[in-house]
Amino acid sequence: AQSVTQPDIHITVSEGASLELRCNYSYGATPYLFWYVQSPGQGLQLLLKYFSGDTLVQGIKGFEAEFKRSQSSFNLRKPSVHWSDAAEYFCAVGKYNNNDMRFGAGTRLTVKP
Amino acid sequence: KAGVTQTPRYLIKTRGQQVTLSCSPISGHRSVSWYQQTPGQGLQFLFEYFSETQRNKGNFPGRFSGRQFSNSRSEMNVSTLELGDSALYLCASSLSPGGAQETQYFGPGTRLLVL
Repeated sequence: AQSVTQPDIHITVSEGASLELRCNYSYGATPYLFWYVQSPGQGLQLLLKYFSGDTLVQGIKGFEAEFKRSQSSFNLRKPSVHWSDAAEYFCAVGKYNNNDMRFGAGTRLTVKP
Repeated sequence: KAGVTQTPRYLIKTRGQQVTLSCSPISGHRSVSWYQQTPGQGLQFLFEYFSETQRNKGNFPGRFSGRQFSNSRSEMNVSTLELGDSALYLCASSLSPGGAQETQYFGPGTRLLVL
């Protein structure tokens, strides 16, 4: 069965600083990987996804993620964080033929002015 | 195009009662999935519907059920509510049950509090 680990429960960065959120997955086949963001009181918004091909994936809001099969990782990065990026971030792994996604526990991002 | 809508947004029930939550997918989307989000267990998959048929079900007791109508709208029902059912229930829709190749769009959720 697929699973996702997000090692960092809470991260604080200063506005303008770079950001990296970690995600490790476990899945026996080719993983389908996602990053979602959830603002307080809101649903989930898809930032980016990886199925195959180029291991560096560009997403919305200036985010990117790199798939590293050898490390079973799919870390999310942003070169310069904005105060509006404060939210909870979820990494997820999905299957090819159904919508049963497994989510990590989430990483809450705080942005200091 | 309107997004996924969920009603009601907030709900308070007491133990032993039952509750029905509604989800209207994005127009043209025929697949609807439900997730439960709690601080302790995180986001967990409940079930997925396509063409009025349940395709997949997560590891939840039979008190949790759902259905999908011919217009793709979906409802989920929880009977005999327990305190632990307090959660944010999220609905997601996609064009088809293409699995991970189909982007799922999430609604704002229904926050259920069981007293």
